[in-house]
Amino acid sequence: DTGVSQDPRHKITKRGQNVTFRCDPISEHNRLYWYRQTLGQGPEFLTYFQNEAQLEKSRLLSDRFSAERPKGSFSTLEIQRTEQGDSAMYLCASSARSGDPTDTQYFGPGTRLTVL
Amino acid sequence: AQSVTQLGSHVSVSEGALVLLRCNYSSSVPPYLFWYVQYPNQGLQLLLKYTSAATLVKGINGFEAEFKKSETSFHLTKPSAHMSDAAEYFCAVSDDQAGTALIFGKGTTLSVSS
Repeated sequence: DTGVSQDPRHKITKRGQNVTFRCDPISEHNRLYWYRQTLGQGPEFLTYFQNEAQLEKSRLLSDRFSAERPKGSFSTLEIQRTEQGDSAMYLCASSARSGDPTDTQYFGPGTRLTVL
Repeated sequence: AQSVTQLGSHVSVSEGALVLLRCNYSSSVPPYLFWYVQYPNQGLQLLLKYTSAATLVKGINGFEAEFKKSETSFHLTKPSAHMSDAAEYFCAVSDDQAGTALIFGKGTTLSVSS
C-alpha cells in the first residue's frame, strides 16, 4: 500500500494557460474524489468517481474544469484557461467501499497551483 | 444540508496541557463525522471517525472525540499536548447527498508551546 500520490506537487502557470494534474489512488480503491483547498479554508468537494464513472460534480466545478478516470485507476483533473482565482491546493482522495458513508478517505499530498 | 462548524480558528496550548478542539454539526440525518489532521506540506490524515457504533471514539496519537447528539457536537480532545501535535485540524461530515463526499469545517490551527 503506497498511498495516494499526486503529480505534480507544485505548478506555477500564467493566466489563460491550461494545466493538468494527475492522481494515483490506492490500488483497488473504487472511489476517487477531488477537492480544492484555498488558504484558510477546509477542503471543498469538486467531483468523484466510482470506478471510471463520474457520478457527481459540485457547482464549484465550472465548465473550464474537466476530470477523467479512464480505466478506473488513475485520474486527471484539467483546468482550461486558468484564472487567478483557481490558485489553490488540489487534493485527491480514494476510498475502498462504494457508497459507505463511514469509509475512510485517504488523501494524497496535493498539488499546489499558483496562477500568475 | 449538512455542515460542520469549528469554533476557534486558532488554539494555543502549552506542552502537557489539555487539548480541546470544538466541532458542531448540522444534519437532518444521523451524521457520520470525522477528524483529520494536516501537517505542513502534507495531505490530510484521519485521526478518528464516528460511525454510530460508540459515542466515545478513540483515535491515533492519543486523541479521542465524543459524539453528543443533544449538543450536536463532536469535540476533539487529548489529555496532554505534545509539540508534535502542532498542525491544522479539520472536522468533517459525510455528505449523504453527494456520494459520501466529505464536507469540511474551516479548520483549527493548534499551536503548542514549550
